[in-house]
Amino acid sequence: DSGVTQTPKHLITATGQRVTLRCSPRSGDLSVYWYQQSLDQGLQFLIQYYNGEERAKGNILERFSAQQFPDLHSELNLSSLELGDSALYFCASSVAPLTQETQYFGPGTRLLVL
Amino acid sequence: AQTVTQSQPEMSVQEAETVTLSCTYDTSESDYYLFWYKQPPSRQMILVIRQEAYKQQNATENRFSVNFQKAAKSFSLKISDSQLGDAAMYFCAYRSSEIMDSNYQLIWGAGTKLIIKP
Repeated sequence: DSGVTQTPKHLITATGQRVTLRCSPRSGDLSVYWYQQSLDQGLQFLIQYYNGEERAKGNILERFSAQQFPDLHSELNLSSLELGDSALYFCASSVAPLTQETQYFGPGTRLLVL
Repeated sequence: AQTVTQSQPEMSVQEAETVTLSCTYDTSESDYYLFWYKQPPSRQMILVIRQEAYKQQNATENRFSVNFQKAAKSFSLKISDSQLGDAAMYFCAYRSSEIMDSNYQLIWGAGTKLIIKP
């Protein structure tokens, strides 16, 4: 158990809908990262937050957004869902975005868009 | 931009034997971090081992060790005494060490599926 929690574990929804994925980092970790794992594109970095502030953006669609709250949990919002958004969404956390920090991953949320 | 390549989509090994998974990467940086993560059927992403590029000594974690060849930009994972529980997807990942906000993301290879034969 990495100490990173994600809810829900599974999510099934329809095209055009909006969902929210939640992540709680390890105790003491200030930095949260979101990754998407899909069959056709592999693992891709989406976005990173540190202590409530956005720090880096990767291949995140405009339909997707995220935030990190004062209690350091993070939410990834996916809207106007398309079939291609079906994937496993991982949250990872580290103490700080410093050079030596390893990212520890949560169990993921499996999203299926029908 | 950095890239990570895992050229073996699938590998199989007999239980108790040794297997080596390959990973190559491309970067112009001199300092960086390399990781091997394991993803079993549960889909959890589990850190196996980490290597700092400035360290010449290869990292070791119990039955797992790496062969880090910086000049060749190669980072292979050796699993000794393979066990059934080692069956999983193994991903190689790269991370820059330069202190810049855009550098903290992990860059991933496509993964190698490891099959353990009983």
